Amino acid sequence: QQQVKQSPQSLIVQKGGISIINCAYENTAFDYFPWYQQFPGKGPALLIAIRPDVSEKKEGRFTISFNKSAKQFSLHIMDSQPGDSATYFCAAYSGAGSYQLTFGKGTKLSVIP
Amino acid sequence: DTGVSQDPRHKITKRGQNVTFRCDPISEHNRLYWYRQTLGQGPEFLTYFQNEAQLEKSRLLSDRFSAERPKGSFSTLEIQRTEQGDSAMYLCASSLALREGISDTQYFGPGTRLTVL
Repeated sequence: QQQVKQSPQSLIVQKGGISIINCAYENTAFDYFPWYQQFPGKGPALLIAIRPDVSEKKEGRFTISFNKSAKQFSLHIMDSQPGDSATYFCAAYSGAGSYQLTFGKGTKLSVIP
Repeated sequence: DTGVSQDPRHKITKRGQNVTFRCDPISEHNRLYWYRQTLGQGPEFLTYFQNEAQLEKSRLLSDRFSAERPKGSFSTLEIQRTEQGDSAMYLCASSLALREGISDTQYFGPGTRLTVL
């Protein structure tokens, strides 16, 4: 059973546009939601993370929106650039009990000039 | 570079051989994790250490897999009698847990790409 569902699987956005990636989770014990960016042949790199006590977190061009009641969260990339072309993973983590990160299946983002 | 390092970066082996990977976490990080990532998928948890103690193992970690973190610093992941299905990227991550029950940020290494022929 997939505990974190991520969509879309792939996304093509024009330079300067907004990229939006959505995730939904089932386990209400999750209390930390990071997003990772991964380039081909590299390990995932932490992009931005949020805890469920806030509804939005912004860092530069990256914003996480969090809806606790709907058990959904999303990543918005403003003013998308070709250098943002990568695979993005949402993840969820519970510090109480298991310390493993549960990842979505990833979204391959392509930003075209 | 003070990030998580992994060695080797690439490993090609024949089916049935044993392989060992090494992970050096960020200095002073007390938690260390191993994940496996196959093409087109997100990383999947394998096991985790707090200091030298292995506290959690995934069902993905068959009897052919063993991990150690002997002095609470670097860790090794060994796969015995490799199979073609073991071909994947093996990722190591580390984190600094300040107290129990609090989620902490995991920082990933570049991974070891294993190809089993």
